[in-house]
Amino acid sequence: SQTIHQWPATLVQPVGSPLSLECTVEGTSNPNLYWYRQAAGRGLQLLFYSVGIGQISSEVPQNLSASRPQDRQFILSSKKLLLSDSGFYLCAWTSRGQLINYEQYFGPGTRLTVT
Amino acid sequence: AQSVTQLGSHVSVSEGALVLLRCNYSSSVPPYLFWYVQYPNQGLQLLLKYTTGATLVKGINGFEAEFKKSETSFHLTKPSAHMSDAAEYFCAASSGAGSYQLTFGKGTKLSVIP
Repeated sequence: SQTIHQWPATLVQPVGSPLSLECTVEGTSNPNLYWYRQAAGRGLQLLFYSVGIGQISSEVPQNLSASRPQDRQFILSSKKLLLSDSGFYLCAWTSRGQLINYEQYFGPGTRLTVT
Repeated sequence: AQSVTQLGSHVSVSEGALVLLRCNYSSSVPPYLFWYVQYPNQGLQLLLKYTTGATLVKGINGFEAEFKKSETSFHLTKPSAHMSDAAEYFCAASSGAGSYQLTFGKGTKLSVIP
């Protein structure tokens, strides 16, 4: 069965510090991968998605970046955090196999507080 | 572009009462439709989905939803609310042919009053 992991679970970082959040998927190959952010009361915002190693699409211009160094690894980064980067970050994956139904599977999330 | 509208950012029901959470989508081509539930500080969990076939879809925890093409709706219902149903619920729709993205509604927070 497939499993998605995110770490860390919680993070408190000062403004201007760097960020690295990691997401890994087990039990599937060649997934599409997604990073979402939930700010308080603002729903789900798609930040990045990837259809393969090294292929990243950005949905919202900001000081965040994403990378996919391996097939089942997706990393969200920032060189300098802003207060507005606080939120709950969710990673998700979906299958690109023949029986696509677009269902996305979500990780447990990372709570980031920028102080 | 697809859009998903959830009526009511916050819904309160009494324990044992009917739960009705509304969702409308915009596309003229019926998309795949999903309801997800999110408990505090957790990821989203799939409740149910509509792809093709039967328009009344049953999901986990006693929830069901009915796809109505004429109304472009996919409302979520549960006959009798339980305290454990208190959570945030998101409706989502596939964004279109060739896209692997989902369009999410803004979410509805369900409170259950004892």
